Amino acid sequence: DQQVKQNSPSLSVQEGRISILNCDYTNSMFDYFLWYKKYPAEGPTFLISISSIKDKNEDGRFTVFLNKSAKHLSLHIVPSQPGDSAVYFCAASGTSGTYKYIFGTGTRLKVLA
Amino acid sequence: DTAVSQTPKYLVTQMGNDKSIKCEQNLGHDTMYWYKQDSKKFLKIMFSYNNKELIINETVPNRFSPKSPDKAHLNLHINSLELGDSAVYFCATSKLNGVNQPQHFGDGTRLSIL
Repeated sequence: DQQVKQNSPSLSVQEGRISILNCDYTNSMFDYFLWYKKYPAEGPTFLISISSIKDKNEDGRFTVFLNKSAKHLSLHIVPSQPGDSAVYFCAASGTSGTYKYIFGTGTRLKVLA
Repeated sequence: DTAVSQTPKYLVTQMGNDKSIKCEQNLGHDTMYWYKQDSKKFLKIMFSYNNKELIINETVPNRFSPKSPDKAHLNLHINSLELGDSAVYFCATSKLNGVNQPQHFGDGTRLSIL
């Protein structure tokens, strides 16, 4: 049972344009969400997070939007840069139990120069 | 100075062998984790330790045994390796247990079983 889904395995965007990566979840108990970025042969690197009490969190070029009713979150990167080319994972956790993170399968973003 | 370091980076071995992967962190974090990323790219938690105490133990074969000799180290020993154990294993840490917060990952150990 895949509780966190990233339905687009890949995305290509022109440099300078907006990249929008999407993530859906099924467990209504999730209340904390994160985005990680991963380069080849490296571990995931934390990008940005959002708590369920918010619907938006912004950090520089990165903004995460949360739509709790739709159980959907998205990561916007504006403007996209070639160095943003990587695999992006979303993850979710709940406050009950052990705070373990459930990860999506990732979206490979390619920013074209 | 790497915050979360794993050794070895690559491990190629025969089916049936026993092997260990080591993880060390210099962040002073309380909690350490092992994740497995399989061929379908699912990144799944296997274990977590908080101050040397086992907190999370997912449905993992008992051939996998984590060991935390101290707060800065969490090693993973695997007995009787099987073909299905081929994957990338990531170690991660977080500052506190029981709080939602980012986890910091090592660069992974790619395990290949022949």
